[in-house]
Formats: sequence, structure tokens, C-alpha cells
Amino acid sequence: QKEVEQNSGPLSVPEGAIASLNCTYSDRGSQSFFWYRQYSGKSPELIMSIYSNGDKEDGRFTAQLNKASQYVSLLIRDSQPSDSATYLCAVTPGYALNFGKGTSLLVTP
Amino acid sequence: TAGITQAPTSQILAAGRSMTLRCTQDMRHNAMYWYRQDLGLGLRLIHYSNTAGTTGKGEVPDGYSVSRANTDDFPLTLASAVPSQTSVYFCASSPSGSDSYNEQFFGPGTRLTVL
Repeated sequence: QKEVEQNSGPLSVPEGAIASLNCTYSDRGSQSFFWYRQYSGKSPELIMSIYSNGDKEDGRFTAQLNKASQYVSLLIRDSQPSDSATYLCAVTPGYALNFGKGTSLLVTP
Repeated sequence: TAGITQAPTSQILAAGRSMTLRCTQDMRHNAMYWYRQDLGLGLRLIHYSNTAGTTGKGEVPDGYSVSRANTDDFPLTLASAVPSQTSVYFCASSPSGSDSYNEQFFGPGTRLTVL
């Protein structure tokens, strides 16, 4: 079984701070990396994808990938209470996504 | 654009009964997937289809079957439901099933309770 590990949290950050979410994976053949946001009772929503080492920025979100360390992270700048959700890391060598169990983020006003 | 629709939204089913969960996408995506999500276990792949006419088994396929007669529809059937199949079921699709740039998009889910 290809493992994708995330700290379950909850990770609590004050409004306006940077939230840092981390993910490690075991399959060195992994090619694509994704972050999904899931609100309680809702379906996962794709927020970031990253395919090569380094940083990728999209608005308040930055994904960071280090394939040598088998590590991918998501930074959320200027965190808002509406960012409170579970964040799922997903990794794939091809077609099938392997999901981590998610990190619960709570942004407090 | 509706994207991916699933039906029903929720269902209570007696053990031993059969049921088909429906999934339809209007994005003309080649690949479709069924996942179940359980507390503490995360999202697990049940079955997938890389293109119409083909299907494959995921991590937890036992007790489930799928078919892919056309591009848009990917129904999931439970032939004889058991309580351990109580879960939230998500259908997903992606433009390609064989490309590593495989952004998957999820439907709203079906909450199934088997008693």
C-alpha cells in the first residue's frame, strides 16, 4: 500500500496568519500531487496541483514540492475563518489517487 | 454546467438488498472513479474506468460492481448490501485516465446507510 501521511490536527491558526499543512508520501514513482479542501458534509474540492519541484502560487495558496524528500506542503496566507476545513493531500504515479486522511484546519477570528 | 451529479443524495438500505448509485458527468471526461469515505480511513478507491467500455478494480472492490456503457455514466452497484458498506460514496472524473496530470473532480456524494 502506497502511504500518504498527514497530521490529522486540528491545526488552529488565528485569522490573518499563515497556515502550513504538510504531507509525506512513500511512493517514489509519484508524478502528480494535489491538495483538496473538504468542508464538513461536502465533497472534496481541488484547490492546487503541482507536478515539479519547487513552489507554485495561486492567490493565497502556495504548494511546495520536494520529490527528494518525498514531501509536499500547502501554505495558506492571510488565513480566513472560511478556510476552516479538512485539507486532503493526494498523490499519484498515474491515474489512481492515493489520499492522505486529511488535516483539519481551524482559523479562529 | 452541472459537472458531476450523483443520485440519490442519501439512502437507507436494508442488508441483503441491492442498490445502484448513479453518477453522471457532462464534462466529456474520459476517466471516472468511485471512492468511499469513512471516518478514520479517508478516501479509498473502489473501481475506476479509464475510458468508456473499460473498468478496473481499486483498493476496496469487493461487494461492488461497475459498468461504463458510455462516456457520461458510471453506475456503482451493490448486489447484496452489508452494514460495512455504510459510507459516503463519491464519484469523480478526470479528463484522462492515463495521464499523470490527472486532476480529478468530485461529485456531491451519496450517503448510504445499510441496516
